[in-house]
Parts: sequence; structure tokens; C-alpha cells
Amino acid sequence: EVQLVESGGGLVKPGGSLRLSCVASGFTFSNAWMTWVRQAPGKGLEWVGRIKSKTDGGTTDYAAPVQGRFTISRDDSKTTVYLQMNSLKTEDTAVYYCIRLGATGLWGQGTLVTVSS
Amino acid sequence: QAVVTQEPSLTVSPGGTVTLTCGSSTGSVTSGHYPYWFQQKPGQAPRTLIYDTTNKHSWTPARFSGSLLGGKAALTLSGAQPEDEAEYYCLLLYSGPSVFGGGTKLTVL
Repeated sequence: EVQLVESGGGLVKPGGSLRLSCVASGFTFSNAWMTWVRQAPGKGLEWVGRIKSKTDGGTTDYAAPVQGRFTISRDDSKTTVYLQMNSLKTEDTAVYYCIRLGATGLWGQGTLVTVSS
Repeated sequence: QAVVTQEPSLTVSPGGTVTLTCGSSTGSVTSGHYPYWFQQKPGQAPRTLIYDTTNKHSWTPARFSGSLLGGKAALTLSGAQPEDEAEYYCLLLYSGPSVFGGGTKLTVL
């Protein structure tokens, strides 16, 4: 089955860290550019960042609000993409989705991150 | 970072036609922005309707179509159904960070 499954969300205090994981199945993960998107409660979608496939350089891009605090990485042997979130702020509270754009058009179910004291 | 604009809300009658648009603060939207359209219903994860301007997924109802119109990306719904009431988001890909529009709340009434 073609799917993405996120995990790792939870409650964290401001200034804390959290690592989200997204396990992919049903497609050739090593060829995929993977994207993280978030949605704050009652708000719209926000693009967080993206990692290219290793064959395309494996480089990353980030949205301005998370640049320098969030890091996306991948482990093709585990078909997993990660989102390391440091120096978390209350405004990072959101459901985080990993997605594969393009012809696959695949979304995970999301994982909730709550940043609160 | 660019700003992507969508109509905040639109209303369409059942069986009617409506066009949602997606503009860019950097200028005209082109196929080089690979416009995407997503649908999200309350309490659900979004799903992709259109990719690369015009391409549909196997699950995309035939009544949805994507295009470029007047310097913007456009999503046209022809023959609206009650189940099409939802929030619709566009996404434009730039050379750096990509950007979502703020979303259009579509009411079928």
C-alpha cells in the first residue's frame, strides 16, 4: 500500500526539541523529494521545508519562520524522512504532515505538535 | 518569500460553475511554478486534486480542472456537488521555499 505515516508528535515546552518521523511505503523512496507541511489550529496550510532525493543532491529548503531551527533529513535505507525541530516556539503548535508532491500526490495523516508551558 | 493570494471565500450553486484563482506577488504564475491544488474538509487531512497546473490524480473528480488564467493559476469546478464544500489551497513552487495560498472556503449553496 502506498502511504506515509508520521509519528513523534506530542507536548513540548517552549525552547524544547522534538523529532518527527515519516515512514514511506509503496513507492521508490530514494527517488522522492519529500516535503513537510504544517497547519496551526484553525489556520491554513504552511509549507515548512523540503528535501530532495540524494540523486538530485539531497539539498534542503526551509520556510523563513523555521530556517535555522528546523532540519530535514532522510534515511533511504529506512524509507524515512525526519523533521528535527529545535528552539520550539508556541507558534510552532500545529499538525505536521509529510507529503510527496508530483504524480504520487500523497499525504500522511499528520502528527500533532503542541508547544506550551 | 513570495506571497500567494487566493479568494478568501466563494459561493456556488449546486450544479453551477466556479473558478478559484491563485496569484503570486512576484508576478504572473506560470507552468514553471508547477501549481498545485488541494482540498481539505473539516477534520480531515488535505488531499491533492491537481498537480503541475492541469494534471489530475486518479481520485480527482472529473468536474475539477486546473489551468492558467490571466496570470494566475485557476481551479475550475463545473457542476458543483454538495460534497465539494470545503477549503481549497493552492501551492506554488519557487526556486527556494514553496508557498501556500491562504485558502478559499467554498460554499455550495
